[in-house]
This record gives sequence, structure tokens and C-alpha cells, in this order.
Amino acid sequence: EAQVTQNPRYLITVTGKKLTVTCSQNMNHEYMSWYRQDPGLGLRQIYYSMNVEVTDKGDVPEGYKVSRKEKRNFPLILESPSPNQTSLYFCASSYSMDVAGTEAFFGQGTRLTVV
Amino acid sequence: KQEVTQIPAALSVPEGENLVLNCSFTDSAIYNLQWFRQDPGKGLTSLLLIQSSQREQTSGRLNASLDKSSGRSTLYIAASQPGDSATYLCAVIKAAGNKLTFGGGTRVLVKP
Repeated sequence: EAQVTQNPRYLITVTGKKLTVTCSQNMNHEYMSWYRQDPGLGLRQIYYSMNVEVTDKGDVPEGYKVSRKEKRNFPLILESPSPNQTSLYFCASSYSMDVAGTEAFFGQGTRLTVV
Repeated sequence: KQEVTQIPAALSVPEGENLVLNCSFTDSAIYNLQWFRQDPGKGLTSLLLIQSSQREQTSGRLNASLDKSSGRSTLYIAASQPGDSATYLCAVIKAAGNKLTFGGGTRVLVKP
């Protein structure tokens, strides 16, 4: 089954404790991206990757890191989480961002709470 | 800068009534427009994808239209059911862009 898998689904952590949210896709997609969803602000892009070893900042990259060492994986790293990073996070993938008709697939989301 | 708007923000209808959800965008230079469904606290499920060269797409009770020149898309859900209660989001991909730009969503409640 074609899917984007995020782990963990729920996470409560303390301020300053480094954490990683994993994302994996099994569709051989080149493009992967992270979004966060907050009430009243909607979905905003954090980072994206056009292919292996190619990553770039989205609209709200501060406080986050990513890496793309393999095509299927795109982990989101919070080096020193703060309460303002409490949010619902989504990983997405698609074959390309440069071809009309390319559908985007989303993971089930990770609910992160930083206390 | 691309902006996507969905009006109304919330909608309540009795079961069986047809649903009409609106999405407007400011920059017509798009590749795709995609409609998603989101259940509370859950992920995004893709419903329909319309390429910029298409005017509509259909899947079961769902029909989405696209008028690129006026920057509008409409999602029709026929004969609504309580199970259709969810938030519906539209998103566009700008030509040669790097992200989906989302609207704020329309929260739908279908009453039995």
C-alpha cells in the first residue's frame, strides 16, 4: 500500500530535549516536505527536499533541521524544542513539484506537545 | 504571493442536502489544485486532484470544478451523509513552486 508513515503519532516532551520525528514513504517520490498546522494559522511549510541531499527552508524553518540521506526518509529534528513548537506536524511526499498532475500524499500527523 | 481562501469557514447541513464548498486563489499560475479531507486531529486524505488544464474531476459523490482564470474551485458533495462531517481543505501548487499553499478549510457538520 502506498503510504507516508510518520512516527511517533503523539509525543510530549520537555523544553530543550532534542527529538526527531521520522517520516518514510514507499512510493519512490523525489519530493518530500514538512508542514505544521496551528489553529488560526493553517498549514505552513517548514522544510522541503527536492531530492536526496537537497533540502531548503520553507516558510517557518526556525528551530528545525532536516536531512535527506535516503530517498525514502526525511526526518524532522528539533534540537532544542520550545513550547511554541507545540503543534500538529505533517510529512508529505509527491513524485515531483515540477509536473502538473502530481498528487501529494500526507502522513497521519504527529501531535507534539512541548512543556 | 499566493493566497488561498475558503468561505465559509464552517457549514452545517441536514443529511441528504448537497454540499457546496468554495476555494479561491489569487495567482492563476498553478499546476494543480487538490482537495483534502481532515478528520479532527487526524491526517489529510486526498479527495480529488485537478490539473490546471482540467475543468473538473469526479469521484463517486464528489465533483470538483476549476476555473483557473477567475481563481476559483468548487467542491460539490452530493447527498451528504453524517460521515461526511470533517474539515475540507483546498491547496494549490504554483507552477515551478516548492510547496502546497493551503486555504484555511471549511468545517462541515452533517446532521442526521
